[in-house]
Amino acid sequence: SHVLTQPPSVSVAPGKTASITCGGNNIGRKSVHWYQQRPGQAPVLVIYYDRDRPSGIPERFSGSNSGNTATLTISRVEAGDEADYYCQVRDNNSDHPGVFGGGTRVTVL
Amino acid sequence: EVHLVESGGGLVQPGRSLRLSCAVSGFSFDDYAMHWVRQAPGKGLEWVSGITWNSGAIGYVDSVKGRFTISRDNAKNSLYLQMNSLRGEDTALYFCARESERYTYGSPFDYWGQGLLVTVSS
Repeated sequence: SHVLTQPPSVSVAPGKTASITCGGNNIGRKSVHWYQQRPGQAPVLVIYYDRDRPSGIPERFSGSNSGNTATLTISRVEAGDEADYYCQVRDNNSDHPGVFGGGTRVTVL
Repeated sequence: EVHLVESGGGLVQPGRSLRLSCAVSGFSFDDYAMHWVRQAPGKGLEWVSGITWNSGAIGYVDSVKGRFTISRDNAKNSLYLQMNSLRGEDTALYFCARESERYTYGSPFDYWGQGLLVTVSS
């Protein structure tokens, strides 16, 4: 199964841009999904299939995926974006269809 | 409206068993693959197990193989996780989650339960 590497933490000032990376061997050849988890809550899907946004997710959230790195970008960061963010790789191997990265804590300064 | 509600958690001694349930409503349960994801205290998400809409394919993370069994009852709109030979490292918040696409196994998880705490301790 895949090993996905995320930075433990990212700090960003309000109104600025936060970039959260997810590293993995040839991850650009896989589909990557991103989840936001606020404290005490269940995860919420914010980006799927690398760059698609579910309904209700602000356009400030965007994604990209190439080579060995997938990236979640949050533009014009707001205080409410403070949360943990997890990448997930879709794996066609039926034994492990949902591997998660270690998670990144986004702190809004 | 889609709802996923877990039940059956609690405090259990090492080596004992526990059965988690996830009751769903608001969608055609038998069209979707379902999963269990857990989160140890202060840690990240870990996929535990998944099952296709017709129970035709099932998967487990290596650390629970041979101890946990996932199943579903489409007539009862319910997902289950039978956990045997529990260990301290199984202590976590357990979420059930639905895949976003019908008849797939590996699409993103679009709906989650609120989570259920399982504590393994003597």
